[in-house]
Amino acid sequence: EAQVTQNPRYLITVTGKKLTVTCSQNMNHEYMSWYRQDPGLGLRQIYYSMNVEVTDKGDVPEGYKVSRKEKRNFPLILESPSPNQTSLYFCASSFISSGNEQFFGPGTRLTVL
Amino acid sequence: DAKTTQPTSMDCAEGRAANLPCNHSTISGNEYVYWYRQIHSQGPQYIIHGLKNNETNEMASLIITEDRKSSTLILPHATLRDTAVYYCIVRVMGNTGNQFYFGTGTSLTVIP
Repeated sequence: EAQVTQNPRYLITVTGKKLTVTCSQNMNHEYMSWYRQDPGLGLRQIYYSMNVEVTDKGDVPEGYKVSRKEKRNFPLILESPSPNQTSLYFCASSFISSGNEQFFGPGTRLTVL
Repeated sequence: DAKTTQPTSMDCAEGRAANLPCNHSTISGNEYVYWYRQIHSQGPQYIIHGLKNNETNEMASLIITEDRKSSTLILPHATLRDTAVYYCIVRVMGNTGNQFYFGTGTSLTVIP
């Protein structure tokens, strides 16, 4: 089944404890992206990647890192999480040539205490 | 500044057309308009996109004004399953590729 998977789905952590949220897709998509969703703000793009080893900042990259060493994986790294990073996170992927129709993962709900 | 603005909420009678507006007055010539919807807190689902011409697919129609400053998503025969939050999005060219700017969404309620 074609899908985007994220792990973990739920995470409660404490300020300053490094964490990684994994994202994997099995559709051979070139484009991958991370978003955060907060009440009243819609979704905001954190980072995106056009292909392996090509990553770039989105609208709200502060406090996050990403890497794209393999085409299928695009982990989101929070080196020192803070309470303002408590949010619902979505990973998405797409082909670029098909118009960038993004397929979204199920989301990761992160709480930073 | 927000690249898109949408009404916060709308109602639509079941079986009628739902017309969801979006303003994107600062859009540039090569920037696309996309629409997605989200049911509860699931991952958003793609609906349609366009640049300047009107577009139609099996889910919806997208009408973009000639000056491209606004657009309307039309669900021709709304059903209860169309109740969702609908996002209007502008795709812009970033440093290395495509960046997406979501609006705050319109919560559509389809009423029986």
